[in-house]
Amino acid sequence: GENVEQHPSTLSVQEGDSAVIKCTYSDSASNYFPWYKQELGKGPQLIIDIRSNVGEKKDQRIAVTLNKTAKHFSLHITETQPEDSAVYFCAALNKFYFGSGTKLNVKP
Amino acid sequence: GAGVSQSPRYKVTKRGQDVALRCDPISGHVSLYWYRQALGQGPEFLTYFNYEAQQDKSGLPNDRFSAERPEGSISTLTIQRTEQRDSAMYRCASSSGRGAYEQYFGPGTRLTVT
Repeated sequence: GENVEQHPSTLSVQEGDSAVIKCTYSDSASNYFPWYKQELGKGPQLIIDIRSNVGEKKDQRIAVTLNKTAKHFSLHITETQPEDSAVYFCAALNKFYFGSGTKLNVKP
Repeated sequence: GAGVSQSPRYKVTKRGQDVALRCDPISGHVSLYWYRQALGQGPEFLTYFNYEAQQDKSGLPNDRFSAERPEGSISTLTIQRTEQRDSAMYRCASSSGRGAYEQYFGPGTRLTVT
């Protein structure tokens, strides 16, 4: 969506390394920021989310950070595994804006 | 429990025909969303419902597109007089509503207009 920019569009990392995907948004009314993982031939699957009253959230190897002042948020995946390979989408909700996706390739 | 289901999974239609795409949300979910996803792109918002009320249809591209959810459960997205540019993956999602934004997506309907 035009109100959410996502970078990079592709990301290749070695197994065990970390991966970081960044998104910026423009709608200051956005208050919920989910991340989705989409595998080939499947629908997007929610993996982690953060609300605007929180700066960071972690779930095992996945973490999300939010900077409301700068209007950007990031997904961090540590100790990447080949099964992390997929397309990842960020979104900013008040309105329903999704980023254009990042294709993550984890090389064994 | 069962997730969001959509039917048909694939639809091929000739230009000018009408199509109806169906979404069956997770049982009890209040909110239902329709998106269109082009290959290699993120989902593009079309419209959404709380119960049977259409809350926002600002994403519908033109008046050939309409959606309904008459009993607050199953929803139908209808495209009239289809055009080739309507070819895309159409995805439905649902959420429990009441301030919960977590959306759960269905497998989508791949529409091809020839």
